[in-house]
Amino acid sequence: RKEVEQDPGPFNVPEGATVAFNCTYSNSASQSFFWYRQDCRKEPKLLMSVYSSGNEDGRFTAQLNRASQYISLLIRDSKLSDSATYLCVVNIGNGNKLVFGAGTILRVKS
Amino acid sequence: NAGVMQNPRHLVRRRGQEARLRCSPMKGHSHVYWYRQLPEEGLKFMVYLQKENIIDESGMPKERFSAEFPKEGPSILRIQQVVRGDSAAYFCASSPPTRGNSPLHFGNGTRLTVT
Repeated sequence: RKEVEQDPGPFNVPEGATVAFNCTYSNSASQSFFWYRQDCRKEPKLLMSVYSSGNEDGRFTAQLNRASQYISLLIRDSKLSDSATYLCVVNIGNGNKLVFGAGTILRVKS
Repeated sequence: NAGVMQNPRHLVRRRGQEARLRCSPMKGHSHVYWYRQLPEEGLKFMVYLQKENIIDESGMPKERFSAEFPKEGPSILRIQQVVRGDSAAYFCASSPPTRGNSPLHFGNGTRLTVT
């Protein structure tokens, strides 16, 4: 079983749609969780951290379910500029190593 | 405050040559991480170093790959006798010693093409 698993997509949605991505992780000792965004052939950039109580940043909401070992990202009112690959990232064990999922492709169309 | 700097941005090597990738961490950071991204795949951890010491190299291929982070100068990822399968984007990130559970911020990456 992979340490971090994501649906690769692609998710093709119209502008204004709400879209949700899930991610599961295998190591119950994982300490912290993040969503990164990666545009084609560029470096991954931090989108948001994921906190146990859930957190929101504008149109983006992240949730963590430790019991079921999954993380979610909800994007409301999708924009064309949201088109990218979204990477689920987990900090394993002692906190030194980030493990990346393979990413979920989002395409927002007008 | 400049971010993580990587060079070169693009590197072309013929099979059998050596590739050297450089990473200068953010000011004040003494820890460096290297990740590799093969085409159409996610980022894979390679190695985690502090100055003059390798902390975790569990993701490094056993042969041809080495990494160092000297007391002075950038961290170097060295690939000897490159093969076509080494073609990938190599990303570097840095952190202070007490990163804890904070996220990492990456440099622009080096895209290696082996012909």
